[in-house]
Amino acid sequence: QKEVEQDPGPLSVPEGAIVSLNCTYSNSAFQYFMWYRQYSRKGPELLMYTYSSGNKEDGRFTAQVDKSSKYISLFIRDSQPSDSATYLCAMSEGNSGAGSYQLTFGKGTKLSVIP
Amino acid sequence: DAGITQSPRHKVTETGTPVTLRCHQTENHRYMYWYRQDPGHGLRLIHYSYGVKDTDKGEVSDGYSVSRSKTEDFLLTLESATSSQTSVYFCAVSRARGAGELFFGEGSRLTVL
Repeated sequence: QKEVEQDPGPLSVPEGAIVSLNCTYSNSAFQYFMWYRQYSRKGPELLMYTYSSGNKEDGRFTAQVDKSSKYISLFIRDSQPSDSATYLCAMSEGNSGAGSYQLTFGKGTKLSVIP
Repeated sequence: DAGITQSPRHKVTETGTPVTLRCHQTENHRYMYWYRQDPGHGLRLIHYSYGVKDTDKGEVSDGYSVSRSKTEDFLLTLESATSSQTSVYFCAVSRARGAGELFFGEGSRLTVL
């Protein structure tokens, strides 16, 4: 079993739809959870950052973390064509432990928002 | 914008030749990383640095070496390139270790024939 599982898609939705992107993980030591957005032929950029369980909202984006289920989600409301990109989840154990320097990334989900 | 510049952005080389990729940052971040991104594998850490002359291996370090003689520069060297090292290489920087807020460069696309 991979440490982080993410459905690669591709996912195609009409403009204005609500998008749900998800990752599951197996390492219970993960404390920091991130979503990165990567446009074609560009580097990833941090979109959302959450510590431990709970929800975080930023404009049209909401990140949810459920540590008991080892499951994280990113919701995009009122999706726009400009949201078309690959979305990568990433996780980290934080500032302690042997894995503290490393992020573990999902493989990414490719999203297309059709006008 | 974390002021990260990668060079070269594109390179085609032959098997067995040495290749050096350069990452230059202008924001004085302490931590620097080299990742490779491949279809079906996602982003994987090659090497990282936690200060000048302080480096360590990541998940997929075999066949790669790194050097950091100045805060702003982090070099990735393929001593003898192989076709399996055809990939897109990303440099990233961060202010703090472990917490995950990485800033990535634009990537260097390497093809080994």
